[in-house]
Amino acid sequence: SQQGEEDPQALSIQEGENATMNCSYKTSINNLQWYRQNSGRGLVHLILIRSNEREKHSGRLRVTLDTSKKSSSLLITASRAADTASYFCATDGYGNNRLAFGKGNQVVVIP
Amino acid sequence: DAGVTQSPTHLIKTRGQQVTLRCSPKSGHDTVSWYQQALGQGPQFIFQYYEEEERQRGNFPDRFSGHQFPNYSSELNVNALLLGDSALYLCASSLSMDYEQYFGPGTRLTVT
Repeated sequence: SQQGEEDPQALSIQEGENATMNCSYKTSINNLQWYRQNSGRGLVHLILIRSNEREKHSGRLRVTLDTSKKSSSLLITASRAADTASYFCATDGYGNNRLAFGKGNQVVVIP
Repeated sequence: DAGVTQSPTHLIKTRGQQVTLRCSPKSGHDTVSWYQQALGQGPQFIFQYYEEEERQRGNFPDRFSGHQFPNYSSELNVNALLLGDSALYLCASSLSMDYEQYFGPGTRLTVT
């Protein structure tokens, strides 16, 4: 099954700076999604990028997808304290919407 | 419009006991998926229910079972609890095979 795996780094940045995190996966995918999780609670869907897309924007979020390298990046611009959270990428396969998550990236935005 | 709801919020059980967790999907959604998230890890897919049947299953033992009711709500049952079953259990709902899933707040299960 597909497996999204983030670079296992914790980011600590100042408010207003940009935050970038990466994700790699092992097999062909249909879609790649990014989720945010605050304090070990439920996951909030941020953005979905399809395998035939290369870049997608949503507000302060920018996601890229490189299927040749089996990797994706999530950029959060002009970070805010409220962006402090764990961020997960998740992949799914064709005809199969079960999600395979990576371990997540912890982001701390210092006011 | 209510989102995905889960109950209870927290639960403490003893090894060997059985537990039932509940999930109500987002209005209009007919598919419920369950995930287990151990501390410091990403969620792991347990199984998915659609039209009251288990449609997909992850790599979890038979101690994990589920049910979906005609109103699309779902239960996750875990028998013979082990210490390693301590985790956050997340329910997600979607419309059939739609890829965007909406997650509930989770149930924190602690097994002592």
